[in-house]
Amino acid sequence: DAGVIQSPRHEVTEMGQEVTLRCKPISGHDYLFWYRQTMMRGLELLIYFNNNVPIDDSGMPEDRFSAKMPNASFSTLKIQPSEPRDSAVYFCASSLTYTGNYGYTFGSGTRLTVV
Amino acid sequence: DQQVKQNSPSLSVQEGRISILNCDYTNSMFDYFLWYKKYPAEGPTFLISISSIKDKNEDGRFTVFLNKSAKHLSLHIVPSQPGDSAVYFCAVSDSGGGADGLTFGKGTHLIIQP
Repeated sequence: DAGVIQSPRHEVTEMGQEVTLRCKPISGHDYLFWYRQTMMRGLELLIYFNNNVPIDDSGMPEDRFSAKMPNASFSTLKIQPSEPRDSAVYFCASSLTYTGNYGYTFGSGTRLTVV
Repeated sequence: DQQVKQNSPSLSVQEGRISILNCDYTNSMFDYFLWYKKYPAEGPTFLISISSIKDKNEDGRFTVFLNKSAKHLSLHIVPSQPGDSAVYFCAVSDSGGGADGLTFGKGTHLIIQP
C-alpha cells in the first residue's frame, strides 16, 4: 500500500484565491481526518469523515473552509477565499477506527503559503 | 484551553543515553494514549500506544509509561540514536466519543547529539 497520498506537496497562492487540497486515504480505512499544523496551535483537527460522511466539522475555522469526500478513495479540503493566516501545513490521515488505538496513518502534508 | 501539554519544546540528549519525553493531559476520560514521531517534510508516524488499563508498554527501545493519577504520560527511548532526532507528539483519544479524533500536544523536538 502506498499509504495516504496528499497533493500538492507545496502550494503558494495569492490572497483571495481558491485553494484545493487533495487526499487519497488507505484502502479499507473507514475514517479520514484533516489536520492543520501551525507553530502557535500545533496539530488541530479540522474535520473527520466516517464512511465518506462528515461527522464533525467543529474544528473548521470559518465558512471559507469546506471539505468533501465524494467516495471512499478521495477527499478534498477547499479554502475560498484564502487569506495569509491560512498558511500552514495541512495533513490528511486515515484510520480503521475512530479512537486511534491502532494509530492514524498520516500523509506527507501540503505546505500552503498564502501571500 | 490545552487538553494535552508538552511543556518542553526541545530536548537535547547524547547518543547512547536515555531520552525522556513528557506529556500531561487534563481529562480523565481519555483512554488511549499515543506517541507519534515526525521528521521534517513528512507526516507524523505512529510510534507506540498504551491503553488506560495499563501503566507500561514496551516496544524495543521505546517504552511508554502512564500515570493516571497524575494524568502524565512519558516516552523513554534507550539507548538514543541519531535517527531518533525528530519532533515527538503525544496524542490522546476518548473512545467514548467525548473528544474529536486524536488530540495532539504541540510536540517536543528531540535532538540526539553524537
